[in-house]
Parts: sequence; structure tokens; C-alpha cells
Amino acid sequence: QKEVEQNSGPLSVPEGAIASLNCTYSDRGSQSFFWYRQYSGKSPELIMFIYSNGDKEDGRFTAQLNKASQYVSLLIRDSQPSDSATYLCAAFYGGATNKLIFGTGTLLAVQP
Amino acid sequence: DAGVIQSPRHEVTEMGQEVTLRCKPISGHNSLFWYRQTMMRGLELLIYFNNNVPIDDSGMPEDRFSAKMPNASFSTLKIQPSEPRDSAVYFCASSWGKETQYFGPGTRLLVL
Repeated sequence: QKEVEQNSGPLSVPEGAIASLNCTYSDRGSQSFFWYRQYSGKSPELIMFIYSNGDKEDGRFTAQLNKASQYVSLLIRDSQPSDSATYLCAAFYGGATNKLIFGTGTLLAVQP
Repeated sequence: DAGVIQSPRHEVTEMGQEVTLRCKPISGHNSLFWYRQTMMRGLELLIYFNNNVPIDDSGMPEDRFSAKMPNASFSTLKIQPSEPRDSAVYFCASSWGKETQYFGPGTRLLVL
């Protein structure tokens, strides 16, 4: 059973701080990992993806992947109230399935 | 460019009625996914089509659910008969092969 685990939160951080969101996955066969942001009542939207060990930066966002520990994280620098949303971690399994397995998401609340 | 289009956006029906959800993927995308999202179970993949052919329907909960993709620009998800436990937000997503999945706005279904 392929699983992706996330702490449901809420994770509360003050404006301007670094928010750290974490995710673990159960199946080493996963090829890449995605972070989606979902505002209340809206659909998930892609923030970034990562498939190599190490860090990947895109603006205020940094994704980190450690395949040995089966651990993925998303750092948001200079957090803004507009970053308040649920962040979904997803593991991608290619081959015939071409399937994304999502975690249940972490609710982030950035306090002004 | 238009994103993924879903209709209806909201549906309220009574138990036992047939429900049909519709999706138009992004033009040029060859993969289409139907997801269901609930508070308890998060975002779950129901079925995945590639080039209009169902590849993985292991997430379809039971025979009451069926999905079709008669052409590259249209898909339906049908529930017959509907039950209150089917109440959820249903998302359609599309991608080009194994690339990023883009989500539609979702259909909020309430079965009374």
C-alpha cells in the first residue's frame, strides 16, 4: 500500500517567518514528489516538484528530498498571510499507473 | 488558455438519483484523472485515462461508479444510484503524459 503521510496541523507561523512543511512516503518506488497548495474551497494548484535528492529553490519556496529517509519537505521563506492554505504533498509513481498519491495535507496559518 | 473545465460546479440531489459529472481537459493533454476529496480521506484517485483508455480504475469505490472518455476532450463520471456517503468534492485533472497534473475547479456534490 503506497502511502504519503503529513501532519494535518494547523501549523501556525508569524508573518515573515519560515514555514516548514513535512511529508513522508512509504514506497521507495516513487519517482518524484509534488507540492500543491489548496485554498479553502478551491482546487489544488502546483507549487513545485522535485525528483533528485537535495534542495530545489523557486522564489520563496524550497523543496527538499531525502530518498534514504523517504522524506520530503517544503520551506516557505518570508511567510505571508496569503500563504495560508492547505499544502498537499504527493508522490508520483510512473510506469503503467502514472499515479499521484496524495497526503491529506497540512493546514498552514500565517499570522499577521 | 482555458484550464480544465468541470460541470456542474455544485450538485444537490436525493439519495437514489443518478448523478453525472462532466470534465473537459486542457487541449492537447492526453491523460485525465478523476479524484474525490473528503475531509476524512483527503484526495483519492478514482480512475485514470490515457489516450481515452481507462488504465487504472482501482480507486473506483464500487459498481455504482462508472467513468467514460468518449473522446480526447470530454469525460464523465456517473454515480447511479447515489448515496449520502458519496457527498464530496470531485476533481478532474489532466496532464500531458507524466507531466504536471492540472486540476479543474471541482464539483461539490451533496447527496441528501
